[in-house]
Amino acid sequence: GAGVSQTPSNKVTEKGKYVELRCDPISGHTALYWYRQSLGQGPEFLIYFQGTGAADDSGLPNDRFFAVRPEGSVSTLKIQRTERGDSAVYLCASSLANSGTGKNGYTFGSGTRLTVV
Amino acid sequence: KQEVTQIPAALSVPEGENLVLNCSFTDSAIYNLQWFRQDPGKGLTSLLLIQSSQREQTSGRLNASLDKSSGRSTLYIAASQPGDSATYLCAVLSGGYNKLIFGAGTRLAVHP
Repeated sequence: GAGVSQTPSNKVTEKGKYVELRCDPISGHTALYWYRQSLGQGPEFLIYFQGTGAADDSGLPNDRFFAVRPEGSVSTLKIQRTERGDSAVYLCASSLANSGTGKNGYTFGSGTRLTVV
Repeated sequence: KQEVTQIPAALSVPEGENLVLNCSFTDSAIYNLQWFRQDPGKGLTSLLLIQSSQREQTSGRLNASLDKSSGRSTLYIAASQPGDSATYLCAVLSGGYNKLIFGAGTRLAVHP
């Protein structure tokens, strides 16, 4: 597609429930990233995919968070047993692979605002 | 560990002023530095990308400079307009190409 698409744009869930957040990257972008942004803060790295595999998941806060990208395109971020502290905007970005020159920038989606009540 | 700091945290200026937003980073081993704009409740819009081998980039009324050795970047906005009101985020790509590390942003308000 023309841009990075994230669905839903807003999600309200009860504490303890399971949620899935979807990201559809720009066609041809092999790299996909998930970030989390709390109010008044910059986005924080969660996980990076190169193709189908998670190349770096060091930003996932705990084992309740998991992400997949089974066909190397669409990715789903899954959160189990949601807690109120998980409330934030979850941003997805994609890019062409950076070969070491740093010439490829990220394109971000509009985010999913998750509210856990 | 790479840390990015943006100063000031907030800025309010009258329309027409030229202004400078500052960004500093602790580890000079970066691949690029990017400036983004974020409107309330929206995602991030890329403004400028400076590769580590470059010193500056320009787009319209925006000019961004990079001094990698001192760990600093500035975003210069000429002749500011109310439509420039937004949060401006600075981010560096470092640590194996796959982590964009963000500052907390500068909230800019340009009043008529």
